[in-house]
Amino acid sequence: EAQVTQNPRYLITVTGKKLTVTCSQNMNHEYMSWYRQDPGLGLRQIYYSMNVEVTDKGDVPEGYKVSRKEKRNFPLILESPSPNQTSLYFCASGIGQDYTFGSGTRLTVV
Amino acid sequence: QQPVQSPQAVILREGEDAVINCSSSKALYSVHWYRQKHGEAPIFLMILLKGGEQKGHDKISASFNEKKQQSSLYLTASQLSYSGTYFCGYELISNFGNEKLTFGTGTRLTIIP
Repeated sequence: EAQVTQNPRYLITVTGKKLTVTCSQNMNHEYMSWYRQDPGLGLRQIYYSMNVEVTDKGDVPEGYKVSRKEKRNFPLILESPSPNQTSLYFCASGIGQDYTFGSGTRLTVV
Repeated sequence: QQPVQSPQAVILREGEDAVINCSSSKALYSVHWYRQKHGEAPIFLMILLKGGEQKGHDKISASFNEKKQQSSLYLTASQLSYSGTYFCGYELISNFGNEKLTFGTGTRLTIIP
């Protein structure tokens, strides 16, 4: 089954404690992306990747890092999380009508 | 920069029609429309390419005016299942010369019986 898998689904952490949200797709897509969703602000792009070792900033990249060492994986790294990064995060891959979202990760930073 | 959607929210009675608009200040490659149910991932509805085309899917259709850089989503004879938040996504030219997909702020649609 074609899918984008994010882990974890829910995460509560403390300020400053490094964390990684994983994203994996099994569709051999080149394009992958991370978004955060906040009430009234819609889906805002954090980072995206056109292929292995090719990444670029989206609209709200501050406080986040990404890496793309393999085609299937695109982890989102928060080196020093802060409360303003509390949000619902979505990973997505593909292009056009094949653009597929993961189930989301609800992150709370206290 | 995010596309701007309007209205932000709308409440309809079952059977009524709705129009959701989306505009961008940047040159577009294509427009995507998605629907998201509360707590779930957005689901693809349709994609419109340059050329002013109009597409339909059951009683949901959309148009794309590339000159005005605007797209509109039309929901006809709305059903309860249409409730959710609708997002437009614009494909723009990225730093790599390829497309990147940027989403609008969303329109929350509530259908009541």
